[in-house]
This record gives sequence, structure tokens and C-alpha cells, in this order.
Amino acid sequence: NAGVTQTPKFRVLKTGQSMTLLCAQDMNHEYMYWYRQDPGMGLRLIHYSVGEGTTAKGEVPDGYNVSRLKKQNFLLGLESAAPSQTSVYFCASSPPQRTIPFGPGTRLTVT
Amino acid sequence: DAKTTQPTSMDCAEGRAANLPCNHSTISGNEYVYWYRQIHSQGPQYIIHGLKNNETNEMASLIITEDRKSSTLILPHATLRDTAVYYCIVRVGGDMRFGAGTRLTVKP
Repeated sequence: NAGVTQTPKFRVLKTGQSMTLLCAQDMNHEYMYWYRQDPGMGLRLIHYSVGEGTTAKGEVPDGYNVSRLKKQNFLLGLESAAPSQTSVYFCASSPPQRTIPFGPGTRLTVT
Repeated sequence: DAKTTQPTSMDCAEGRAANLPCNHSTISGNEYVYWYRQIHSQGPQYIIHGLKNNETNEMASLIITEDRKSSTLILPHATLRDTAVYYCIVRVGGDMRFGAGTRLTVKP
């Protein structure tokens, strides 16, 4: 039981490049989340999903797209990376109204 | 979701109880109160959550006022390893937003 895993752990992109971050969970959780955390700041919700095939916008959705084609995976896409998207990205999952275990984070740098 | 208000920072002496307040005056009846903490740049760690009643686990106690407009997280015997940012969140359903949190520093 690996819990929540994130791939990759680190990535450097050039402005304008695209990439996809993968969040995977093996706990059969319904809810999944993507957050970003800038230096010295709190976590901000980008998008979340309450079930397979569903997604919803959080606080800071612009510049990101997500997909939840399989219950265990939640993908976060950056179509055209910008320096403002340099951040640490955290994924999390949970059953409804239960505790949320977080992944270890992905450190993304856009130059 | 209801917004929460927490002090920006607090200090606590090692071995003493740390009491972290949270105001959530617009909380609705079916919203839970969650507490998480984040040490350095690690992923947030769940501490405790509750709806109406006070809760206790091996890490902490959660005291929710009768009108549910505020709550207090209590770390009964703070250690240096409890130095972290503590987040109070109210949540129902999938939308879960963290806010700025309280930076707790436990001092020797």
C-alpha cells in the first residue's frame, strides 16, 4: 500500500513547454486534490475531483487542466508553462469527509 | 466553504500546552473542522477533525465551541518537533482550502 504517490518529484521546464504531473493513489479514495505552494505561502487549491470522470475548479485554476479518467489517478497538466507556475505541487486523496493523506510533493521550476 | 481566521504566529515553551485558536464564524451546520500541520516543505500532515463534539487522539485535542463559531487545537506537551505551520480548515464535500495558517514555534 503506497498511499499517494506523485510523478515526477522534480522537473525543470522552459517557458512555453507543457507537462503533466501524475498523482496516483491505491486506497480507492473518491476525492483527489491538486495544490500548489509558493515559497513562504500556504497551500492553494488548484483543482479537485470528487469521483472518476469529475473535476472542479479550486482557488487558482487558471493555466492548469486536470483529468480523472481512472479513479486511482488524477492528472495535472500545464499546457504552456510560465515562470509564475514555479512552485511545489502537492496531491492528496480522501474518502468523503475523512482525513486526507498528502503526497510528497513535486518541485517544479520554470525558467 | 467557510473562511477561517488564525493568528499569524505563536510561540510556546517546550513541555507546555500549545493552544492554537481558529475562528470560523460563518461555518454551516454540516461543515467539519479539520486541523493539519506542515513541517518545513513536507506534505501537510493530518492532526484531527470534528463536527460538533470535542475530539482527542494521540496527537492533540480539538475543542469546538457550542455555537461552532470557533475552535482550539491543543497540543498537550509541545516538543521542538511540533514547530510547524498549523492550518485550520472548515470543509464539506470536496472543496478544501487551507488559508495562511499559524506558524507555531516551540522554544526550549
